[in-house]
Amino acid sequence: GAVVSQHPSWVICKSGTSVKIECRSLDFQATTMFWYRQFPKQSLMLMATSNEGSKATYEQGVEKDKFLINHASLTLSTLTVTSAHPEDSSFYICSARERTGVWKQETQYFGPGTRLLVL
Amino acid sequence: GNSVTQMEGPVTLSEEAFLTINCTYTATGYPSLFWYVQYPGEGLQLLLKATKADDKGSNKGFEATYRKETTSFHLEKGSVQVSDSAVYFCALTGGTSYGKLTFGQGTILTVHP
Repeated sequence: GAVVSQHPSWVICKSGTSVKIECRSLDFQATTMFWYRQFPKQSLMLMATSNEGSKATYEQGVEKDKFLINHASLTLSTLTVTSAHPEDSSFYICSARERTGVWKQETQYFGPGTRLLVL
Repeated sequence: GNSVTQMEGPVTLSEEAFLTINCTYTATGYPSLFWYVQYPGEGLQLLLKATKADDKGSNKGFEATYRKETTSFHLEKGSVQVSDSAVYFCALTGGTSYGKLTFGQGTILTVHP
C-alpha cells in the first residue's frame, strides 16, 4: 500500500513552453500533497504545500505564477511549470500525506520523481 | 524552527560491515522522526519511522531509536549489502512546522563487494 505515482517520469521541452506533472496517490486519500525540487547531490527543497480544494501555499522565494499547483481531488495534484526556461531544469518530486486523523501517525509517501530538461 | 543535521558523507563501506549514520535534530515538542532512502534516479522511499521517545523503528535490517534526551535518531545496520548503496535522509515533522518535513542534507552510502 501507500503508493504514489508521478507522470511523466521524464520530459524534455523547448524554452517558453509549459509542462504539467501529475502526482497521484494510488491506494489512499491524501489530505495534503507536497511538491519538492531537488538539485544534483542536494537535499529536497519544498516548493509548495497543496491541500485538496484550496489554494496551494508556496514557500518563500517560489514564484506561484511560475509553478501552478492544482489539487483537484484527494488523489490527484498537478504542478504546471509555465513558460519553462533552462534554469527550471531539475528533478521534481511530489509526496502525499495519508489521512489517518492522527497527525503524528501520518507519513509522507513520495513519488518516483519527474526529471525535467528545458532546452 | 526545526532543523536536522546528518553526519557528512560520503560513507564508503565493504559488504557486511556495520553501518551508523548519525542524525540529530532541533524541534519543539515531540516531533515524529523518519529515515528515507533514495536510490539513483528515483524518488524517496520511507525506510522507517518513530513517533515518540524511545520508539525503535526498523525495516530491512535497519534500525533507529528515538532518543529525546540526546535529540538523536541514528540509523544502524549490522551488515550492509551492495544493494544498500543509496542516499539516506533523516527527517522530522511536527514542532514548529506541523505537517511539513524538515530534511537533513542526506548521506551518500556506497557499499563495495
